Amino acid sequence: DIQMTQSPSTLSASVGDRITITCRASQTISTWLAWYQQKPGKAPKLLIYKASTLQNGVPSRFSGSGSGTEFTLTISSLQPDDFATYYCQHYLTYSWTFGQGTKVGIK
Amino acid sequence: EVQLVESGGGLVQPGGSLRLSCTASGFTVSSNYMSWVRQAPGEGLQWISVIYTGGATYYADSVKGRFTISRDNSKNTVLLQMNSLRTEDTALYYCARSGFAAAATAVDWGQGTLVTVSS
Repeated sequence: DIQMTQSPSTLSASVGDRITITCRASQTISTWLAWYQQKPGKAPKLLIYKASTLQNGVPSRFSGSGSGTEFTLTISSLQPDDFATYYCQHYLTYSWTFGQGTKVGIK
Repeated sequence: EVQLVESGGGLVQPGGSLRLSCTASGFTVSSNYMSWVRQAPGEGLQWISVIYTGGATYYADSVKGRFTISRDNSKNTVLLQMNSLRTEDTALYYCARSGFAAAATAVDWGQGTLVTVSS
């Protein structure tokens, strides 16, 4: 199975900050990578697919980049609604695997 | 509007069985890849099964041989039959619809149904 490793596991930031979350795949996955946001008690929400394509309705302050094994999610100016846990996920094969998550909290 | 509603969760003893349902509206389940993803309390997300439009099914190793995914096209529902349940199967179980082509990942999610395996 392909392993997905995110860093950091937790991140403290302030409103307006630019933050970056990194995701590494244990083998190349081209750009078959998605990013999700999850808030407590809620289902995950798709933010980005194909490594860099913004899902409909997702604010443009979110962006994704990378290919192969190294990927990043960037929030250009953190908003109060963005404090949540973020997961990367590969979908190269049917056996999806998710990163362990990055919890973004208030500094 | 796409909507997914899971049901069927509950408390079951180790070794027992449960059948989860995911009722869809706003689209046809047989025309989409449909998956189940679970999340243990306080933990991350784990993919467990998918059913393709052609009917092919796949499972995570942790549930292979114990769980069965299927569809009831007449009810526009995806099912997950869970047998020989273990305490480590305790989780919130989400149903998800995949998009197409570049977006062939979980685009829409239900709210989840909680399965607790305990004696």
